[in-house]
Amino acid sequence: IQLTQSPSSLSASVGDRVTITCRASQGISSYLAWYQQKPGKAPKLLIYAASTLQSGVPSRFSGSGSGTDFTLTISSLQPEDFATYYCQQLNSYPTFGQGTRLEIK
Amino acid sequence: EVQLVESGGGLVQPGGSLRLSCAASGFTFSSYSMNWVRQAPGKGLEWVSYISSSSSTIYYADSVKGRFTISRDNAKNSLYLQMNSLRDEDTAVYYCARVLTTVSDWGQGTLVTVSS
Repeated sequence: IQLTQSPSSLSASVGDRVTITCRASQGISSYLAWYQQKPGKAPKLLIYAASTLQSGVPSRFSGSGSGTDFTLTISSLQPEDFATYYCQQLNSYPTFGQGTRLEIK
Repeated sequence: EVQLVESGGGLVQPGGSLRLSCAASGFTFSSYSMNWVRQAPGKGLEWVSYISSSSSTIYYADSVKGRFTISRDNAKNSLYLQMNSLRDEDTAVYYCARVLTTVSDWGQGTLVTVSS
């Protein structure tokens, strides 16, 4: 199963609302997770089951979608949110989207 | 607290071999499937291999099939990746990861550099 993220990069300002999309090559129900990764660090789980916020993750992060189309939304960007974001599906084994690099405008 | 600690990375020449290990603690290792995921410098995450809890089901990415072998020792709470016929494009940080529908735990990664 292939995952296609868009955009591949995004420039935004603190306080902006941003949306990242992830499209699966076939239906995956709600088996979709979103990760944040900062340089030199392992990925951090933000959202699982398409829309469930991982414990400790700020509520400005939200996810939606099912089937083949999914979105990650950050309602009001904070300085610590500038990072790379990945979607990941879990059919039998995990595969990842190509990533979205979120940069400061 | 779940901990996954990778080891075994280093510099190896093209065509060489390396064995990565991952020591797991903080959960019942024998009950969970495990994965290796890698990240080449400046690139995205690439799933490498999957092994079920009992080792009965194993998958590999096409890019490593026939060259890499995943295994586990549930008595030692350890996951392994034997990497043979290494290529320049295998240069990456290799992560051991427990990835489930509601849980995702990762190690800190171990760097493998393939270069002459």
